[in-house]
Amino acid sequence: DIQMTQSPSTLSASIGDRVTITCRASQTINTWLAWYQQKPGKAPKLLVYKASTLESGVPSTFSGSGGGTEFTLTISSLQPDDLGTYYCQQYSSYPPTFGGGTKVEIK
Amino acid sequence: QVQLVESGGGLVQPGRSLRLSCEASGFSFSNSVMHWFRRAPGKGPEWLAGIGVGGDTETHYADSVKGRFTISRDNSKNTVSLQMENLRGDDTALYYCAREGYSSGKCGAFHIWGQGTLVTVSS
Repeated sequence: DIQMTQSPSTLSASIGDRVTITCRASQTINTWLAWYQQKPGKAPKLLVYKASTLESGVPSTFSGSGGGTEFTLTISSLQPDDLGTYYCQQYSSYPPTFGGGTKVEIK
Repeated sequence: QVQLVESGGGLVQPGRSLRLSCEASGFSFSNSVMHWFRRAPGKGPEWLAGIGVGGDTETHYADSVKGRFTISRDNSKNTVSLQMENLRGDDTALYYCAREGYSSGKCGAFHIWGQGTLVTVSS
């Protein structure tokens, strides 16, 4: 199975800050990578797929980049509604696997 | 409204069985590839099983649940189910169903999720 490693595991930032989350795959996955946001008690929400394509309705403050084994999710200006846990997921090969998550807190 | 609603979770003793259900609404369920996941406390989501539009002939399972869990679908009820047998303590988690994306570049990502149902395995 392909292992996905996220960093940091927790991130505390101020409103308006630029925030970057990193995801590393244990082997190359091309750009078959998705990012999700999950708020407490809520369903996970797809933010980005194919490494850099924004899902419909997702604010343009979110962006994804990378390829091969290194990927990033960037929030250009952190907003209060952005708090939650973010997960990356590879879909290059079965089984689909997820990173351990990055919890974003507002300072 | 597009949504998935899971049910059937609860407290169950080790070695017992449980059946989870997920009811879909607001989209074409019969044309959708559906999956089950779980998330244990402090961990990332774990994919468990998937079922294609062909039903029982198109199923896939994670090694961790193969032989114990069975995914099935009933298109007449817009429902996908997960039958779980011989449950263990490490099966304790929040269980989710999700719809796989179908457009270019999105196959393999999961764009509709339920809120989950909690399964606790304990004596």
